[in-house]
Amino acid sequence: ETGVTQSPTHLIKTRGQQVTLRCSSQSGHNTVSWYQQALGQGPQFIFQYYREEENGRGNFPPRFSGLQFPNYSSELNVNALELDDSALYLCASSSTGRMDTGELFFGEGSRLTVL
Amino acid sequence: AQTVTQSQPEMSVQEAETVTLSCTYDTSESDYYLFWYKQPPSRQMILVIRQEAYKQQNATENRFSVNFQKAAKSFSLKISDSQLGDAAMYFCAYGGNTGNQFYFGTGTSLTVIP
Repeated sequence: ETGVTQSPTHLIKTRGQQVTLRCSSQSGHNTVSWYQQALGQGPQFIFQYYREEENGRGNFPPRFSGLQFPNYSSELNVNALELDDSALYLCASSSTGRMDTGELFFGEGSRLTVL
Repeated sequence: AQTVTQSQPEMSVQEAETVTLSCTYDTSESDYYLFWYKQPPSRQMILVIRQEAYKQQNATENRFSVNFQKAAKSFSLKISDSQLGDAAMYFCAYGGNTGNQFYFGTGTSLTVIP
């Protein structure tokens, strides 16, 4: 069983640039959620994709966008990067878009630094 | 909105001893799930234990157990016979039955002293 994988693991961007982060969900999972974890904080929900459709969004501006592909992998795109976007971005997959099974399986994250 | 509060930024425990991490939450929902996740320095969040709110019995997973007090909205994690590998950041998380996001606390950094 393949776990959740994310790429890249680390990246550095400058303010105003754009970034794309990628995530491959765990085998058999059709739901992907993205979380932002700032230093010293708990993860904050960005959005969720279920069967290629956005299925909920947290309190993040529209410059945070995403995609889910037919194989259930996903991308997180952030435009017009700001210094406060520096964080660990976590992808989590699950087998349902609801909380019925209740468990999220996380990747190791992508550490984004914005200079 | 749901909130999760972890009031202990740091905790330490002697190896083989027992430690309890605290978590409180606020919600108006009656049906939900609560979780403890562990995040070691490798960064990957790993589920430690989960509790369904409709179950009165406290969840147990080997050395890990919870004290779930629904009326008090409290959900503490007890780690027995602490091991060096237990050292990590521990996050309490809430998942509502009608929503699709988890709400996390700010975490408790656990140090295990040999």
